[in-house]
Amino acid sequence: QSALTQPASVSGSPGQSITISCTGTSSDVGGYNYVSWYQQHPGKAPKLIIYEVSNRPSGVSNRFSGSKSGNTASLTISGLQAEDEADYYCSSYTRSSIPGVFGGGTKLTVL
Amino acid sequence: EVQLVESGGGLIQPGGSLRLSCAASGFTVSTNYMSWVRQAPGKGLEWVSVLYSAGTTYYADSVKGRFTISRDNSKNTLYLQMNSLRAEDTAVYYCAREPRGATSYYFAMDVWGQGTTVTVSS
Repeated sequence: QSALTQPASVSGSPGQSITISCTGTSSDVGGYNYVSWYQQHPGKAPKLIIYEVSNRPSGVSNRFSGSKSGNTASLTISGLQAEDEADYYCSSYTRSSIPGVFGGGTKLTVL
Repeated sequence: EVQLVESGGGLIQPGGSLRLSCAASGFTVSTNYMSWVRQAPGKGLEWVSVLYSAGTTYYADSVKGRFTISRDNSKNTLYLQMNSLRAEDTAVYYCAREPRGATSYYFAMDVWGQGTTVTVSS
């Protein structure tokens, strides 16, 4: 199973907005509205922040938003805060031997 | 409180076997979709195996034929039996829930355990 493609790193200053892309194919990201995003702080378990492309679980800040266009999904974080510094992973349903695939992860640095 | 607690990790020689456990509380394992996800040191997440509520199982190509996912409904616990372990199986292994029921998230995991570390080395 090929991983989804994410930039290795992004950065932004407090208060700014950043966007992380997640590129797949028509067999995963482009073919289904089952893209989710996870935030992972060092040494911690991942935390679900977006599911089904653009939905936020209860308790997740509305500074996090998701979207999709074609084979690329995006996570936008607005009003960057220091605590947003973490690794972010996208995942998608995929027609493969296992029905889920992750992106390679993006390290967000808050300057 | 909804919680997952993994156990069973450790240091194992190549070719050996290990069984990971994931004890759930606050919800029923058998009525949800349950997954094992691993993370090699300094690397990203990898979906290892999934067990659907109806009993269907899926495995990543990298572990197919070597790993087996199962559950014990009476203990509300998920397992991962790992055989013929290789150095490349070294990772933190997380169990996670894909919720089904009043709240259903499709192919998204809302509850994760703290992880258990498996090190395959001689």
